[in-house]
Amino acid sequence: ILNVEQSPQSLHVQEGDSTNFTCSFPSSNFYALHWYRWETAKSPEALFVMTLNGDEKKKGRISATLNTKEGYSYLYIKGSQPEDSATYLCASSNAGNNRKLIWGLGTSLAVNP
Amino acid sequence: NAGVTQTPKFRVLKTGQSMTLLCAQDMNHEYMYWYRQDPGMGLRLIHYSVGEGTTAKGEVPDGYNVSRLKKQNFLLGLESAAPSQTSVYFCASSRGKMDRDRAVTQYFGPGTRLLVL
Repeated sequence: ILNVEQSPQSLHVQEGDSTNFTCSFPSSNFYALHWYRWETAKSPEALFVMTLNGDEKKKGRISATLNTKEGYSYLYIKGSQPEDSATYLCASSNAGNNRKLIWGLGTSLAVNP
Repeated sequence: NAGVTQTPKFRVLKTGQSMTLLCAQDMNHEYMYWYRQDPGMGLRLIHYSVGEGTTAKGEVPDGYNVSRLKKQNFLLGLESAAPSQTSVYFCASSRGKMDRDRAVTQYFGPGTRLLVL
């Protein structure tokens, strides 16, 4: 994998549902994986940064895992709420230039009340 | 702290006109970035800076120039605007010091919407 790929592209769930998305990234020369939350008409906000294989991060109802050997990360949202509606972006960097992030296209989540 | 701010928020240009977008950050960050965001495409890096007085090209640098004369400011210039430069431009910054366990997070400004006619 040369690019960062996210799936699904969009998702509609009901309030209270739990959901998860996938981010696939280049595993060779990996440095870090970032998850951002991007609400409409706002700017992206950082959720998590993970660097080590097996890392798990949690913030409230949102958590993320990282598998650097196979090049994927999962983002989980437990008990989705309407305010969780946003686009969730992931981005990876490699050790060659860890300041430059390669961005996925995002997963657009809509939570219906 | 205001974080990362961008000026202007919205601008309409005619083809061939020039303009400068200003990004300012008050977090004493070393690194600053300019991205463009277009429908169906991810954030694409235009130029970035690793410190005052230094700049480097990103993925899509053609048609843009940048300057970092002061640590807190990063300017993006369009010398001769083209319709293909219609986009939303985001500035971001990140701190300089970094170790393996605290890979750097980028903090984004609110964006500048540019329309080139």
